[in-house]
Amino acid sequence: QVQLQESGPGLVKPSETLSLTCTVSGDSVSSGSYFWSWIRQPPGKGLEWIGYMNYNGNTKYNPSLKSRVTTSVDTSKNQFSLKLTSVTAADTAVYYCAKVHSSSWVLAHWGQGTLVTVSS
Amino acid sequence: DVQLTQSPSSVSASVGDRVTITCRASQDINNWLAWYQQKPGKAPNLLIYAASSLQSGVPSRFSGSGSGTHFTLTISGLQPEDFATYFCQQANSFPFTFGGGTKVEIK
Repeated sequence: QVQLQESGPGLVKPSETLSLTCTVSGDSVSSGSYFWSWIRQPPGKGLEWIGYMNYNGNTKYNPSLKSRVTTSVDTSKNQFSLKLTSVTAADTAVYYCAKVHSSSWVLAHWGQGTLVTVSS
Repeated sequence: DVQLTQSPSSVSASVGDRVTITCRASQDINNWLAWYQQKPGKAPNLLIYAASSLQSGVPSRFSGSGSGTHFTLTISGLQPEDFATYFCQQANSFPFTFGGGTKVEIK
């Protein structure tokens, strides 16, 4: 059974860079059938899809965040990562990593989520 | 972006009730729609994909229907563990977007 686990700082200062890593177990990030994704949810609000990527560099980012987002995959560690630059309080959210089925583009497996607060 | 509008935003129901949630898309998304259940402090859990296909392991009291711009999620015979928030998600065009959520509360 695939499991995903987010890790990274829970507090980031305004204008700095948010960095998160998702460690995958029970599956390989090198699988060609899947993409790997980041989604976020501000406290008490709805869900926003940040972007998705696969092991060979194919990526797609939400245009609303595209200028600030970078993602990467580390096949040696079976991990993928998110960097979000120039953060503001509006970026405070629970950040989830998830596995995307490319046949249906749905999120069948999620990490537990990690709260990132942007505050000085 | 495709906008998804869910209704109602909340519903009060009793155990055993039939509950129907609607998701309307701002443009035709064929059957590229999924439904998720989310409980407080937890990640969403996939219930339905491709508008009407039941995800493995999900109880059969959950069903989905619709195509184009109008979709529904029905819970037939509400159980205590079903009190949660439900979201729809379109997968027709990126950025994939989510509805605002429907909270199913105990009456």
